[in-house]
Amino acid sequence: KQEVTQIPAALSVPEGENLVLNCSFTDSAIYNLQWFRQDPGKGLTSLLLIQSSQREQTSGRLNASLDKSSGRSTLYIAASQPGDSATYLCAVTFRFTNAGKSTFGDGTTLTVKP
Amino acid sequence: ETGVTQTPRHLVMGMTNKKSLKCEQHLGHNAMYWYKQSAKKPLELMFVYNFKEQTENNSVPSRFSPECPNSSHLFLHLHTLQPEDSALYLCASSQDQLPTQYFGPGTRLTVL
Repeated sequence: KQEVTQIPAALSVPEGENLVLNCSFTDSAIYNLQWFRQDPGKGLTSLLLIQSSQREQTSGRLNASLDKSSGRSTLYIAASQPGDSATYLCAVTFRFTNAGKSTFGDGTTLTVKP
Repeated sequence: ETGVTQTPRHLVMGMTNKKSLKCEQHLGHNAMYWYKQSAKKPLELMFVYNFKEQTENNSVPSRFSPECPNSSHLFLHLHTLQPEDSALYLCASSQDQLPTQYFGPGTRLTVL
């Protein structure tokens, strides 16, 4: 069964700290992996998309890495700010499923304290 | 605000009511999706439409009835729902069922 797991479920850090969110998946045959941000009661905002052939993607203070062989991805947030507080979701599109069908993890809820 | 809009943003309905959720995308995409997000559970894909044709139905109960009149609009018709159907319903769109999906803000549904 193809599954996506995110650890930890919740994380609280003081402002300014660098932090890492983890995502693991059970099948290395993936099309891509995507990190989303979701604010309470809101929809999803795409942060970074890593294609199967890529090792990492960067956008501003965010850096996402991908290691297919170990079935892992990390989202690194540098110099965290209170505005980064949200739930971060990892979604994997496995290669041998219907195109467009992403499997989501449960998310990590991040709180950045001023 | 994204190129995908959803209305209403909040909906409270009784178990005997009939209501509809609406999604509209302004991105020129041809694939649209309905997802359900319940408390403490991962996002669940419900339906996929590609070029107005339903390509996937993830064993969703018949009390949820999707409609896709064109590539820009997607509806989810609701009738005789159960309290456990209370959730955030998210719509998304993409080009040609490519994995990069754009999500709407969601409709928060409460079934009493």
